Amino acid sequence: AQKITQTQPGMFVQEKEAVTLDCTYDTSDPSYGLFWYKQPSSGEMIFLIYQGSYDQQNATEGRYSLNFQKARKSANLVISASQLGDSAMYFCAMREGPVAAGNKLTFGGGTRVLVKP
Amino acid sequence: DTGVSQDPRHKITKRGQNVTFRCDPISEHNRLYWYRQTLGQGPEFLTYFQNEAQLEKSRLLSDRFSAERPKGSFSTLEIQRTEQGDSAMYLCASSSNHPTSGRVGEQFFGPGTRLTVL
Repeated sequence: AQKITQTQPGMFVQEKEAVTLDCTYDTSDPSYGLFWYKQPSSGEMIFLIYQGSYDQQNATEGRYSLNFQKARKSANLVISASQLGDSAMYFCAMREGPVAAGNKLTFGGGTRVLVKP
Repeated sequence: DTGVSQDPRHKITKRGQNVTFRCDPISEHNRLYWYRQTLGQGPEFLTYFQNEAQLEKSRLLSDRFSAERPKGSFSTLEIQRTEQGDSAMYLCASSSNHPTSGRVGEQFFGPGTRLTVL
């Protein structure tokens, strides 16, 4: 079974509107972390936001927020007020085990977002 | 610039040749990771070092692949007898369990080395 599933291969969004990118995950480990990364055409992976499995509140970082629904094993990324520079690939990733273990990230297949002016 | 650096950024080689990539992590980071990303896919884990010890290797890392981190600082990834299927972006990331800034365990990625095997 896929550990990280991103069901939207591509999305168009109008500039200044909000967009939600879906991510579901599968793990039996009670301690895990969920990440979202942005990858523009230049190829670098840019960290956006992090949610720990024990965090009580949904994470927010500027225009990015994470809609964490633990029982449903989903961690959707919401980008508010989209900008042209938000056009990129977006990857959801999971680290299984506690932070201190330094475990690898498992990535989903990504969602390509194109922001229209 | 104190980020993760990788060299070279691009490498074109002929099938059967050996190639070596280098990764310089953020200086205080004790953990270093290698990932491979093929076109249109998410990155896949290859191997992980804590200081100089290689703690985990993916089954993707065939006998032709070897990675080292001799002094717990920079790391090299060598691919011997390259095949066309090795064409990919090779990403390096580093993290610390005692960061002076940022989150514990957050992985910072380098710009990647794009390998093309002809």
